[in-house]
Amino acid sequence: AQSVTQLDSQVPVFEEAPVELRCNYSSSVSVYLFWYVQYPNQGLQLLLKYLSGSTLVESINGFEAEFNKSQTSFHLRKPSVHISDTAEYFCAVSPGRRGAQKLVFGQGTRLTINP
Amino acid sequence: GAVVSQHPSRVICKSGTSVKIECRSLDFQATTMFWYRQFPKQSLMLMATSNEGSKATYEQGVEKDKFLINHASLTLSTLTVTSAHPEDSSFYICSARVLAGSSYNEQFFGPGTRLTVL
Repeated sequence: AQSVTQLDSQVPVFEEAPVELRCNYSSSVSVYLFWYVQYPNQGLQLLLKYLSGSTLVESINGFEAEFNKSQTSFHLRKPSVHISDTAEYFCAVSPGRRGAQKLVFGQGTRLTINP
Repeated sequence: GAVVSQHPSRVICKSGTSVKIECRSLDFQATTMFWYRQFPKQSLMLMATSNEGSKATYEQGVEKDKFLINHASLTLSTLTVTSAHPEDSSFYICSARVLAGSSYNEQFFGPGTRLTVL
């Protein structure tokens, strides 16, 4: 079984400041890792994912996350945030094998960008 | 591409009534759909996995007789909350898994349905 811990329930930052949202996971098998973003009263949108290969993955809107197997982490970072980044961010994990289905989500981190 | 819709987006009902929520994959075929429940300021909890043409698989602690799931086609799954009570009030989100030959099949999420039971 897998589990995900997002250590920060809320992260307030000023616009154009850097941000890191922390995610740690637990699993006895190899995993796929994901970050999803949820805007108010909306469903989830995939931000980025790690399946295999390079441990650093990037999204089209400037976010990046690095898979660290030894620390079982997949922290999300952005060097300079924008007001529009205000949202809830969820880290998720699934077994890293063909046909794997279930996603296990962390508790979520509410990112608030202040002007 | 890969759009998932849910209907209705919002529903208010009286205690004791049943409510049906639809989840559709608009531009792809989904052999598997998932139903999640999200309480305010909390994470998504998987309720059940719905496979087209077969019975849904429910997670531990989810009452199958209360949350009826039907996956009649490759583009439609429905969740019916039977005899709804105020504690069933929540945000229900579905996702659909793309049918593909790759090693990983991404889930695409619907916009969610907010259910309020009075």
